[in-house]
Amino acid sequence: QLQLQESGPGLVKPSETLSLTCSVSGGSISSSNYCWGWIRQPPGAGLEWIGSIYYSGTTYYNPSLKSRVTVSVDTYKNQFSLMLSSVTAADTAVYYCARHALSGALDYWGQGTLVTVSS
Amino acid sequence: SSELTQDPVVSVALGQTVRITCQGDNLRNYYASWYQQKPGQAPVLVIYDKDNRPSGIPDRFSGSSSGNTASLTITGAQAEDEADYYCNSRDSTGDVLFGGGTKLTVL
Repeated sequence: QLQLQESGPGLVKPSETLSLTCSVSGGSISSSNYCWGWIRQPPGAGLEWIGSIYYSGTTYYNPSLKSRVTVSVDTYKNQFSLMLSSVTAADTAVYYCARHALSGALDYWGQGTLVTVSS
Repeated sequence: SSELTQDPVVSVALGQTVRITCQGDNLRNYYASWYQQKPGQAPVLVIYDKDNRPSGIPDRFSGSSSGNTASLTITGAQAEDEADYYCNSRDSTGDVLFGGGTKLTVL
């Protein structure tokens, strides 16, 4: 059974960079049929896709966040990571990592981690 | 950019059938998938690629699509189906899209 687990600081100061890692177990991140993505959900709001990466390193980013987002993959550690720069209070959200098919269907999700942006 | 539109709130009487819809131009070319999210929990995939149900999802959940509209139907809604439901798809550039979500109330 594939499992994903987010890790990283729960509190980030404004203007700094948010960094999260998703560890994948029970399967290989190098599968050619899937991408690995980050999704966030501000308190009381809906889901927002942040960006995704293919095991080869090809990335896809939400146009509204593209200038601040970097998603990377480490196939040796079976992990992928998110960096979001110049954060503000508007970036406070639960951040999820997930696996998705090329159709966009996200079949496995991490439990989510709350990141608060505050001084 | 492409958008997916959902009704914010839908209600259904216990045991009745309810349809939740998702509209978007990209749905003419790409499949929709559906997620159930209960408070404090991660979303769960209930329908993928228009009308496929993952293992473990009750068969009262079904999906369909016509033109620019995808639908999630719950036949015989149960109290435990009360949740937020999100549709998603992709666009021509490979970007992932989400609808704004529908809060389903079971009366």
